[in-house]
Amino acid sequence: GAVVSQHPSWVICKSGTSVKIECRSLDFQATTMFWYRQFPKQSLMLMATSNEGSKATYEQGVEKDKFLINHASLTLSTLTVTSAHPEDSSFYICSARIGRANYGYTFGSGTRLTVV
Amino acid sequence: AQTVTQSQPEMSVQEAETVTLSCTYDTSESDYYLFWYKQPPSRQMILVIRQEAYKQQNATENRFSVNFQKAAKSFSLKISDSQLGDAAMYFCAYRVNTGTASKLTFGTGTRLQVTL
Repeated sequence: GAVVSQHPSWVICKSGTSVKIECRSLDFQATTMFWYRQFPKQSLMLMATSNEGSKATYEQGVEKDKFLINHASLTLSTLTVTSAHPEDSSFYICSARIGRANYGYTFGSGTRLTVV
Repeated sequence: AQTVTQSQPEMSVQEAETVTLSCTYDTSESDYYLFWYKQPPSRQMILVIRQEAYKQQNATENRFSVNFQKAAKSFSLKISDSQLGDAAMYFCAYRVNTGTASKLTFGTGTRLQVTL
């Protein structure tokens, strides 16, 4: 089945540094990827939609300059949290739509980011 | 804007019994898809079942079935013969069926406990 590999699964970084999260589609081409943020015991909140070869579309309230998204190829999308602060600590999940048919979406395993 | 509401923050069911999780949504669209996703403690999102709005027949997947009431905008999930492995967060999700607006909107989730 369609698999999205997300790395790292967890990361601890110091305030002010940047962290990059990668999502790779292993056995299919993901023209569109979605990035979500999930706080403890809460739902998934869409941050942005990335399309291969074009600029990402950010949801209202999401800082474009803080959460940099790059989707340079059909199999790789990255989310970089720049100048991270403790309030950026969260669980980040990527997702890709499976082909043209509406079979749903496949999700990465998530990245737990802790900023200290 | 589309919204998805899950009115049950937590539910509990005994092993081998049946439980129904509720979901309502608000939309002005007529062509859309509905999904139930499971998020176990590993936090990996797993597709449980999906329903196309144009189909009158309720979707079923083994022990999982839905009761789709389009006029009432209701989409409940029934889990039969509950198993310990069913314990997880369950999210109802909606997606309008247009090419570019393919993002998922999630409900707030229902935590399901399965007891012996």
